[in-house]
Amino acid sequence: GIQVEQSPPDLILQEGANSTLRCNFSDSVNNLQWFHQNPWGQLINLFYIPSGTKQNGRLSATTVATERYSLLYISSSQTTDSGVYFCAVGPISSGSARQLTFGSGTQLTVLP
Amino acid sequence: EADIYQTPRYLVIGTGKKITLECSQTMGHDKMYWYQQDPGMELHLIHYSYGVNSTEKGDLSSESTVSRIRTEHFPLTLESARPSHTSQYLCASAGLAGRMPYEQYFGPGTRLTVT
Repeated sequence: GIQVEQSPPDLILQEGANSTLRCNFSDSVNNLQWFHQNPWGQLINLFYIPSGTKQNGRLSATTVATERYSLLYISSSQTTDSGVYFCAVGPISSGSARQLTFGSGTQLTVLP
Repeated sequence: EADIYQTPRYLVIGTGKKITLECSQTMGHDKMYWYQQDPGMELHLIHYSYGVNSTEKGDLSSESTVSRIRTEHFPLTLESARPSHTSQYLCASAGLAGRMPYEQYFGPGTRLTVT
């Protein structure tokens, strides 16, 4: 099956700093999503971005499908940004089922 | 905003008991999914459904079963709970209805502990 690698596994920042999270995947995809998992376990949708670039406030994401990677940018980080960030991809081979395969996540800690 | 609900949110139960985790969505999505997540780890797909009366097993082998009798409802059942079933179970749905076709939306999860 498709492999999804996220880096770095852990990231500690001071409040106000910027960061870049990376997601590499091993096959062609027709779905790619970024999620933030809060301390209560809820997965919050950040971006649906199988290709191209999107921005939402302090967060932005870019997916280069031809090179099989995606980047999540967090600017001016806040303590509320802490948590685990997951990249999940849906390989084209999954057809209409559109199942997602998750990476192992990046644990982000933002210090005040 | 996504409208997908899971009950119960927390469940502590003894070994051997039968349990059903409920998942409902009000978005008219045809596809629904169950994922299992151990603390600090990635999510693994255990079941999915294309639509009513259509269910498939996911990549992670699971002793649970699912049913899809109504579009909005996708319950997961464990016939005989064991401590190895202790985990968080997350339900998701996707479909053409919504801002982004096939974008998956997740419920709040059920934290199951089997003693």
